[in-house]
Order: sequence, then C-alpha cells, then structure tokens
Amino acid sequence: KAGVTQTPRYLIKTRGQQVTLSCSPISGHRSVSWYQQTPGQGLQFLFEYFSETQRNKGNFPGRFSGRQFSNSRSEMNVSTLELGDSALYLCASSPGPQGVYNEQFFGPGTRLTVL
Amino acid sequence: KNQVEQSPQSLIILEGKNCTLQCNYTVSPFSNLRWYKQDTGRGPVSLTIMTFSENTKSNGRYTATLDADTKQSSLHITASQLSDSASYICVVSPLGKLSFGAGTTVTVRA
Repeated sequence: KAGVTQTPRYLIKTRGQQVTLSCSPISGHRSVSWYQQTPGQGLQFLFEYFSETQRNKGNFPGRFSGRQFSNSRSEMNVSTLELGDSALYLCASSPGPQGVYNEQFFGPGTRLTVL
Repeated sequence: KNQVEQSPQSLIILEGKNCTLQCNYTVSPFSNLRWYKQDTGRGPVSLTIMTFSENTKSNGRYTATLDADTKQSSLHITASQLSDSASYICVVSPLGKLSFGAGTTVTVRA
C-alpha cells in the first residue's frame, strides 16, 4: 500500500499571499488530520476531517482552512500568509476518527517558508 | 498548560547504551497513549500504541510502559544505534483530539 503523500514538499511564499497544500491518505483511510510543526511549538493540531466533515479543530485563526473530498484527499489553505506561518505542515491519515484506537500514519510534510 | 509533559527535553547517549524517556500526562478521560519517532525533516512514525489496560508494549528495541494510575509512561531504548537519533513524541488520546508532548530529542554518538 502506498503511504500518505503530500504535495508540494517545499514551498516559498511571501507575506500576504495564500497557499494550498494537498494530502492524499492511504487507500481506504477516511480520516485526515493536519498539523503545524515549528521548532519552538512542536506539533500543533490544526483540524481533522472524517468522511468530508470537519470533526475537530485546533486553536488556529480563520486564515487556516481545509476541506476533504469524496475520495478522502484533503487540502489545507492558508490565506494572507504571515512570517510566523513558516513551518512544516504534516498530514496524517487513519482508518477511523482520531482518538479512537486507530494508528495514524504521517506523510513527509510540506515545508513552507514565508518571506 | 500542556497536558502532556515530556522529559528530558534532550539527551545524548553513546552507541550501545540504553536510555529511558518519560511522559507525564493530565489528559482525562484517557483512551490510549502513543509514542512516535520523528527523524529530522520527516513525518513521525508510530512506535507503539497502548490502551489504558495495557502496561507494556514492545517494538523491537523500543519498549513502552504505561501506568494509568499515576498517568505516566516511559519509552525505553535498548542497545541504542546511531539510527535512533531522532525526536520521540508522546501522544495521549482522550477520546477526541490528540494531545501531543513537545518531544525528547535523542542524539546517539559513536
């Protein structure tokens, strides 16, 4: 089985721009979660989608949004980028909802740099 | 205040030696606890996942223990190898959103 894939792997944007990141989960997995990871903050939960519905959301501003398609692929969008948005964005998929005894499989991440 | 605290923040060990990482949590109710290994610049990889009724679980040279009464978990690395150099993250699941620890960075030196 192919693992979780994320595109693009690296991205450089300037302040004020917007960006869309993509995540393709493992085949058959219906839950996709997004995380932001920075050296100072560690892994911070952004949101989780399960069967095209946002199930949980972390404490991030409304500039961060996401969606999930019927094939379970998910996209994350960040509008009006700020310097502090520079981070590694990780996507994780699991067969069922987060929190239940389901192992999460992480993708390689997208490294976003905001100049 | 983070509900999952890990210690130490970082440690350096010599190849072949053992080490133990600690995870204390206040998350409640509790469903399961996971340990992940994350190599620099890569996504985390699951090492173990334990429910509240499990006391220990092994994955090769990695052994995780759980004391649900004291809300403590540890990850023991036996006979460390250079490839064990990574960040180790403790994650607690309270039947909903996952709560992440800040991680322990392990450096194994030859």
